[in-house]
Amino acid sequence: GQNIDQPTEMTATEGAIVQINCTYQTSGFNGLFWYQQHAGEAPTFLSYNVLDGLEEKGRFSSFLSRSKGYSYLLLKELQMKDSASYLCAVRDRGSNYQLIWGAGTKLIIKP
Amino acid sequence: DAMVIQNPRYQVTQFGKPVTLSCSQTLNHNVMYWYQQKSSQAPKLLFHYYDKDFNNEADTPDNFQSRRPNTSFCFLDIRSPGLGDAAMYLCATSPRGGATGDEQFFGPGTRLTVL
Repeated sequence: GQNIDQPTEMTATEGAIVQINCTYQTSGFNGLFWYQQHAGEAPTFLSYNVLDGLEEKGRFSSFLSRSKGYSYLLLKELQMKDSASYLCAVRDRGSNYQLIWGAGTKLIIKP
Repeated sequence: DAMVIQNPRYQVTQFGKPVTLSCSQTLNHNVMYWYQQKSSQAPKLLFHYYDKDFNNEADTPDNFQSRRPNTSFCFLDIRSPGLGDAAMYLCATSPRGGATGDEQFFGPGTRLTVL
């Protein structure tokens, strides 16, 4: 079956580094997206991985291992505004290339 | 600025009273999506369009209908809202969708309350 797993909630300290993990099981992996969603707002795109390895974009980096069905989002130099939910979504050939979404990881930043 | 616009942002309806949510885009994207998202849950895809080609997810209830009269506009009709339909409804667009690396651009969402 198709499944996306992320931790429900994480807490980190302002200025620190946090890694949010995502594991997936799909019938036809075709790319992985990370989105940020502040409470009551729409998701906004953070990163896209289709090949193994690390994609870096400023304070945010995303890693993919297709053989392990695993990705992580790394946030550096945490700021209070990074408090949000982070959603992992996998594009799946078996679902006509539509996104299979995780429920998101709520990240709480403390001063 | 090019964007995805949803109206209204907040909608209150009564149990069983039809309601229509609207979405418009100035991005000229080919693909449009409607998602339902309940609190602390993953977005659930209801419908998507490749241009005028309508695609209905297998588990989308018949109570939900959609229209896309032109490239810019898309509507979600809920014929007889139940209490379980209270949620955030998100409209998204994508340039090409499918197997491309195109991201989805989301509107601000409409929060539907059913009394």
